[in-house]
Amino acid sequence: EAQVTQNPRYLITVTGKKLTVTCSQNMNHEYMSWYRQDPGLGLRQIYYSMNVEVTDKGDVPEGYKVSRKEKRNFPLILESPSPNQTSLYFCASSLVGFAGTEAFFGQGTRLTVV
Amino acid sequence: KQEVTQIPAALSVPEGENLVLNCSFTDSAIYNLQWFRQDPGKGLTSLLLIQSSQREQTSGRLNASLDKSSGRSTLYIAASQPGDSATYLCALNMRFGAGTRLTVKP
Repeated sequence: EAQVTQNPRYLITVTGKKLTVTCSQNMNHEYMSWYRQDPGLGLRQIYYSMNVEVTDKGDVPEGYKVSRKEKRNFPLILESPSPNQTSLYFCASSLVGFAGTEAFFGQGTRLTVV
Repeated sequence: KQEVTQIPAALSVPEGENLVLNCSFTDSAIYNLQWFRQDPGKGLTSLLLIQSSQREQTSGRLNASLDKSSGRSTLYIAASQPGDSATYLCALNMRFGAGTRLTVKP
């Protein structure tokens, strides 16, 4: 089954404790991206990757890191999480960047930083 | 920078009604527009994808149109059903609006 898989689905952590949210897709997609969703603000893009070893900042990259060492995986790293990073996070992938291909989303990771 | 606006933020209609959801954008230099559905606590599901060279797409009871000159897209839902209740989001080049929360009452 074609899918984007995020883990974990739920995470509660403390301020400053490094964490990684994993994202994996099985569709051989070139493009992957991370979003956060907050009430009233919609989805905002954190980082995106057009292909392996190519990553770019989205609209809200501060406090986040990503890597794209292999095509199927695109982990999101929070080196020192803060309470304002409490949010619902989504990973997405599509065959080719912005150019008119359907996007697939993971089920989301609800992160709470206390 | 592309700005995407969806109005209204919430909409409640009786079952069976035809309805239109609106999406406006500021930059006509787009590659594609997608409409998504999001159920509470779930991820997003792509409903319709309109490429830059297209004017509309249809899938079942759903029809989406794209007018780049006016910076608008609409999602038309025919004969709405309670199962259509969800948040609908439009995205231009993967930049999202805040969504319209639709409730269809039996």
